[in-house]
Amino acid sequence: NAGVTQTPKFQVLKTGQSMTLQCAQDMNHEYMSWYRQDPGMGLRLIHYSVGAGITDQGEVPNGYNVSRSTTEDFPLRLLSAAPSQTSVYFCASRPWTSEETQYFGPGTRLLVL
Amino acid sequence: SQQGEEDPQALSIQEGENATMNCSYKTSINNLQWYRQNSGRGLVHLILIRSNEREKHSGRLRVTLDTSKKSSSLLITASRAADTASYFCATDLLYSGAGSYQLTFGKGTKLSVIP
Repeated sequence: NAGVTQTPKFQVLKTGQSMTLQCAQDMNHEYMSWYRQDPGMGLRLIHYSVGAGITDQGEVPNGYNVSRSTTEDFPLRLLSAAPSQTSVYFCASRPWTSEETQYFGPGTRLLVL
Repeated sequence: SQQGEEDPQALSIQEGENATMNCSYKTSINNLQWYRQNSGRGLVHLILIRSNEREKHSGRLRVTLDTSKKSSSLLITASRAADTASYFCATDLLYSGAGSYQLTFGKGTKLSVIP
């Protein structure tokens, strides 16, 4: 198993540009989520999905869109990038039950100029 | 808002010493998990303790949970330089009615183990 994969590893954007961060998992996990990690802030939940076709907002959803057309993929879209979105983005997946851990991808480092 | 808060924010110890990190949280939980993050890498799960458990061990790790005080501690015994990393607690909350589980992370403790 590849686990959770994320692309790209690093991206530089100009303010106003849009882009999609890709996330895929091959463990057949129902639950997938996106976090951002900023210095001194820990991880904050952006959006999550409990299965194909179902998504919901987390703590900091503004400026981001998600969709879940398949169990495997959970892309995160930045609609109009802003410098405040400079961060490291982590995708994670887990099985449905609460007694399970999350598996994290390696992260995407995003710089918005 | 952050559910879990780790203490201290940073900890520096000598190799061979024990390291203790604490986590406090605000609302009722299903379980509490500890994760480790090496610099520039993703998070790796260390240990999970359920709300009806008080203590759990895994190798050199010992986790305690006090639900009455809404706090947990992570003890790393006989620390090694390779233990240098950031450690995060995460609480698993059940939102009744939604059937959805969200894991909420604290800000982390940065541990430095000096050889």
